[in-house]
Amino acid sequence: AQKVTQAQTEISVVEKEDVTLDCVYETRDTTYYLFWYKQPPSGELVFLIRRNSFDEQNEISGRYSWNFQKSTSSFNFTITASQVVDSAVYFCALRPFSGGYNKLIFGAGTRLAVHP
Amino acid sequence: EPEVTQTPSHQVTQMGQEVILRCVPISNHLYFYWYRQILGQKVEFLVSFYNNEISEKSEIFDDQFSVERPDGSNFTLKIRSTKLEDSAMYFCASSEYRDRYMNTEAFFGQGTRLTVV
Repeated sequence: AQKVTQAQTEISVVEKEDVTLDCVYETRDTTYYLFWYKQPPSGELVFLIRRNSFDEQNEISGRYSWNFQKSTSSFNFTITASQVVDSAVYFCALRPFSGGYNKLIFGAGTRLAVHP
Repeated sequence: EPEVTQTPSHQVTQMGQEVILRCVPISNHLYFYWYRQILGQKVEFLVSFYNNEISEKSEIFDDQFSVERPDGSNFTLKIRSTKLEDSAMYFCASSEYRDRYMNTEAFFGQGTRLTVV
């Protein structure tokens, strides 16, 4: 099965807290890509990061960081010192190599609410 | 910065009517996609399109749906006879062509909210 699970439906934090959004994926492929997208209240989908299956280096971009662990099939996303503008739904997505080369399989999303 | 643009942003239609959702992908992109998101649910793949033909479609993309690239810039999704359950946000996306198997990330438009009444 090719599947993405985001077990946290909603997370609520106070500004400046750190928060980690979990993503667990399933694929039989050894080659695949993982993505995170942000969907703010305005509704569009904003690309955040792409990671291929051969690159397990963690990545940091400003207050955002991603932890990819193939051993646990996880690709978690951490926001450090959260801000109100981070409030959005965050989707993790998988693009497997086999079958649909260009199809993204999305998780159900995690709604993050950051309160002042 | 180049972006994917979709029109209209919101469309209300009566059940049984045909609708056409329009998209202008990023100009140097060659792969195009439609996804949909029923309110509050996950984003689901509908169809991908390359070289003027469908490269893959999901089980959702039945005979009621069709896609077309009528000219060099537009990419359209047509729903022939809309049903209540077609109400959703429809996202168009595009990506660069790198090779047959792995393209770059998909960039999404802002979506068209379709409401079928």
